[in-house]
Amino acid sequence: SQQGEEDPQALSIQEGENATMNCSYKTSINNLQWYRQNSGRGLVHLILIRSNEREKHSGRLRVTLDTSKKSSSLLITASRAADTASYFCATDPQLTGGGNKLTFGTGTQLKVEL
Amino acid sequence: NAGVMQNPRHLVRRRGQEARLRCSPMKGHSHVYWYRQLPEEGLKFMVYLQKENIIDESGMPKERFSAEFPKEGPSILRIQQVVRGDSAAYFCASSPVGAGLAGDHEEFFGPGTRLTVL
Repeated sequence: SQQGEEDPQALSIQEGENATMNCSYKTSINNLQWYRQNSGRGLVHLILIRSNEREKHSGRLRVTLDTSKKSSSLLITASRAADTASYFCATDPQLTGGGNKLTFGTGTQLKVEL
Repeated sequence: NAGVMQNPRHLVRRRGQEARLRCSPMKGHSHVYWYRQLPEEGLKFMVYLQKENIIDESGMPKERFSAEFPKEGPSILRIQQVVRGDSAAYFCASSPVGAGLAGDHEEFFGPGTRLTVL
């Protein structure tokens, strides 16, 4: 599997429910980031969590990071139709010699229905 | 502060033609990254550039693809002799802090260029 793999691939929920997406990765990281992509648009940075952090909040977003399991989760509480989008995790790996670059997963497609 | 700008937003080319995609990073950003996204897939890293230098081109095909980021002007991703398999969305991102350096590496994305090869 690739570095930064999201699960599930697709998620459909009702407005007001919570949405949880998971991301697994393979190498040691400096930080892990979540991005959102609306259909046909570019990516928007949502939140960044550093390797020494376990949980972070931003508005209705809650991100957890478990470096021992090499996994992260993104929770969107009280979802809205406008949250419908694809969500990607991206890892900023710890590599010697510099030249790091973000590695993106394949994404979770979230659909929030009225 | 304008965000990352890419043009054109949509580009249609016939097989064998050349495609030129432009990216203007955010003001104050000197690091540019190009990604390709195939339908229903995530982003695949192609190339990382600083002004006048290619830092990492490990994700870019060796043939037909080239990238530059001149001292003045936008970054250019050039695809020569396009084939149908080149049809994809190409995203550019910029950052104030380069990959691999101290500090959080967050990238700011442009709206993308959707290339269709007929």
